[in-house]
Amino acid sequence: GAVVSQHPSWVICKSGTSVKIECRSLDFQATTMFWYRQFPKQSLMLMATSNEGSKATYEQGVEKDKFLINHASLTLSTLTVTSAHPEDSSFYICSARVEPGSYGYTFGSGTRLTVV
Amino acid sequence: DAKTTQPPSMDCAEGRAANLPCNHSTISGNEYVYWYRQIHSQGPQYIIHGLKNNETNEMASLIITEDRKSSTLILPHATLRDTAVYYCIVGYSGGGADGLTFGKGTHLIIQP
Repeated sequence: GAVVSQHPSWVICKSGTSVKIECRSLDFQATTMFWYRQFPKQSLMLMATSNEGSKATYEQGVEKDKFLINHASLTLSTLTVTSAHPEDSSFYICSARVEPGSYGYTFGSGTRLTVV
Repeated sequence: DAKTTQPPSMDCAEGRAANLPCNHSTISGNEYVYWYRQIHSQGPQYIIHGLKNNETNEMASLIITEDRKSSTLILPHATLRDTAVYYCIVGYSGGGADGLTFGKGTHLIIQP
């Protein structure tokens, strides 16, 4: 089945630095990928939608200059958290839209970001 | 806001069937019902989806009422590894450009 690989699985960074998270579709081409954020004991919240070759669209309240998304190929989308602060500490999960007619969406294993 | 309503938590004895209900009274005619689960600190895992008919796969069965306003996910023989948060979501079958809207889900705890 469609598999999405997310890397790294966890990262610790200092305040003010930037962190890049990668999301790769391993056995299919993902025209559209999605990035979610999940705080402890809460549900997943959609942050942005990433389309190959075009600018990402961000959900209301998500700072596009802070969360940079690049989807330069059909198999890779990246999320860069710029100038990270402790409040950015969260579980970040990517997802890819599988082809129409199938079950729809497949998810990466998530990245635990801790900003100290 | 999520378009589904689920109980926040449920317990089930190991080896018994776990029946997880979901209300989606505002579902539109071409929206599917999806079920995903999330084991602690992992990404969501697809379980099953359906439109109108009941569905069964190797993981679970999905029973959708005739008016499509509610559904039940059935794990026929629950094991301890089925302890997770289960999300019922309505959406389009991969044809929409939108991501999924997750509600709070049901925390299913399988008791030994």
